Formats: sequence, C-alpha cells, structure tokens
Amino acid sequence: QITLKESGPTVVKPTQTLTLTCSFSGFSLTTNGVAVGWIRQPPGKALEWLALIYWDDDKYESPSLKSRLTITKDTSKNQVVLNVTNMDPADTATYYCARWQMWVGNNVFDYWGQGTLVTVSS
Amino acid sequence: SYVLTQPPSVSVAPGQTARITCGGNNIGSKSVHWYQQKPGQAPVLVVYDDSDRPSEIPERFSGSNSGNTATLTISRVEAGDEADYSCQVWESSSDHHVVFGGGTKLTVL
Repeated sequence: QITLKESGPTVVKPTQTLTLTCSFSGFSLTTNGVAVGWIRQPPGKALEWLALIYWDDDKYESPSLKSRLTITKDTSKNQVVLNVTNMDPADTATYYCARWQMWVGNNVFDYWGQGTLVTVSS
Repeated sequence: SYVLTQPPSVSVAPGQTARITCGGNNIGSKSVHWYQQKPGQAPVLVVYDDSDRPSEIPERFSGSNSGNTATLTISRVEAGDEADYSCQVWESSSDHHVVFGGGTKLTVL
C-alpha cells in the first residue's frame, strides 16, 4: 500500500521560510523512474506544480518560484523536504506531495498525500 | 511557457455523457493525464497517458488526445462524479516542468 503524508506548520509569518516534510511508504525513492513532487493549491484555485526530486537526485523546480524553492530527499527515512523562502500571504495554499512515475505512466503523479493547509499571516 | 486551457465549468444530467477538454499547442504530441478532485480531498488520477485507466477507476472514464485538444469523457454520469477535473502534461522541450490546466468544475444537474 502506497501512502504519502505532508507535515509542517499550519501558519507562518510573512518573510519566514516554510519547511514541509513528505513522509512516504510503500515505495522507494531509489527505484529507477520514481520521483516525489510538491504541488500546491490556493483556496478555490487551480493546482500549481512546485518541484520534483528524482531517484538519482535530479531536481526540477517551477520556473516562476525556482529562486525560492529547495527540495531534498532522505532515502533512509523515506522523506522529501521542501523549503520555500520569503513566504507571502499569496503563498497561502494546501500543499500536496505526490509520487511521480516516469515509466509506468509517462510522467504522472499516481499517488497523492492528503495535503496540508498552510496560511501565511502575521 | 506551455499553457493548458480548460473550460471553467461543464454541466450534464445524470446518465448523460460529459466531455471535458484540455487545449494546448500540439498537445497531441504529449501524454496527458487527468485528475479528479472532490471538495476537501486530494486529487485522484483517473486517466493517464491520454486514455489508460488505473485499475480502480470505472470504465465510464475514458480519454483521447489529438491535435491541440485532449478530452476526458465520462459516460453514464453519476452524481458522485461531480468534482473538479484537471489535466496535466510534462513539458520538456524548453525547460523541464509540470503543467496543470486550470481545472473544470463538473456539475451533475
């Protein structure tokens, strides 16, 4: 059974750095073709992709947010961490992590976490 | 950057067929994936690689992709199909990034 779960603060202040952890089970981030990604969704708005980290440590970030994002993995703990710097109220959103498949399904998020709502407010 | 365009809303009566489109430049050359999202829940993959379904998804859900438009088709629509549906592609021609459409709210009348 594949599961992912996001954890982190529910409220952050403007200019602070947000750190979110994705803890997963049922698969390994050492498997060829597997990655974990982060996606966010502001209330009432569309999904927005943030970042991906692959089994071989290759990484991609959203061009519009690249300067503020850092994604890392700890394969021994089955965790992926996303840092977002200089948080702004516009970053208020539900943040999801999801498993990404390159080969079984051509570049698709096949399993998602439940999401965690992060509010940016002073 | 690559843009996916979806209609904001689609309405259909129970038992009828719903078609949700996803437009993009030469999208037929890409693999398109579709997610269903019910209120307060995480997205669920319903169609991948244009027209394949995860094993747990009913056969009523199907997809196609050609030219500049991909389409998610839901046959014999049920009240439980009411949700937001989003398309997604992987853009690798310029830089590498994931693109989502703006989402379509399916209303079952």
